[in-house]
Amino acid sequence: GAVVSQHPSRVICKSGTSVKIECRSLDFQATTMFWYRQFPKKSLMLMATSNEGSKATYEQGVEKDKFLINHASLTLSTLTVTSAHPEDSSFYICSARSGREVETQYFGPGTRLLVL
Amino acid sequence: GQNIDQPTEMTATEGAIVQINCTYQTSGFNGLFWYQQHAGEAPTFLSYNVLDGLEEKGRFSSFLSRSKGYSYLLLKELQMKDSASYLCASLDSNYQLIWGAGTKLIIKP
Repeated sequence: GAVVSQHPSRVICKSGTSVKIECRSLDFQATTMFWYRQFPKKSLMLMATSNEGSKATYEQGVEKDKFLINHASLTLSTLTVTSAHPEDSSFYICSARSGREVETQYFGPGTRLLVL
Repeated sequence: GQNIDQPTEMTATEGAIVQINCTYQTSGFNGLFWYQQHAGEAPTFLSYNVLDGLEEKGRFSSFLSRSKGYSYLLLKELQMKDSASYLCASLDSNYQLIWGAGTKLIIKP
């Protein structure tokens, strides 16, 4: 099956700093990537959808200036949490899908962010 | 509106069978997914149904009724490692996943 990696897997940072999370599709070209966040014991919440070479589409209530998404190539998307605060602490998961299998998303292993 | 309903928590015994139900109402429908998620990990794909009927894959089976907006995941010969959350997700007309809140399955010896 298709493989999606995320880096880092875990990050601890001070309040006010910015954190970048990378999502890579390792063996296929991802025309679309999705970014989710998940709070403990809650379901996944879609934050934004990004298509390669175009601006991301953010879900209602998600601040685009706070969560910067770049999808510069068919294998890489990045999520930057700017000026992170403790309430941004969460589990961030990316998924990717190819142009040929629009019904299937392949998930990365997730990044656990803790803001002190 | 879009809505996915599944039970919050279920308990079953090792070696037994458990059925996790899911009802959905989404704008458009392009299939129904089941994912397994262990604590602290990302979801892993279990099944995808787009046509009515039962799909069997080893110990796990998934059923879909499009007319009823209903699906279930059937787990047989339960093992302790099956303790996890099971997420039902509907693929809407924009090919976006609409997620249920997940069912926490607790397996007891």
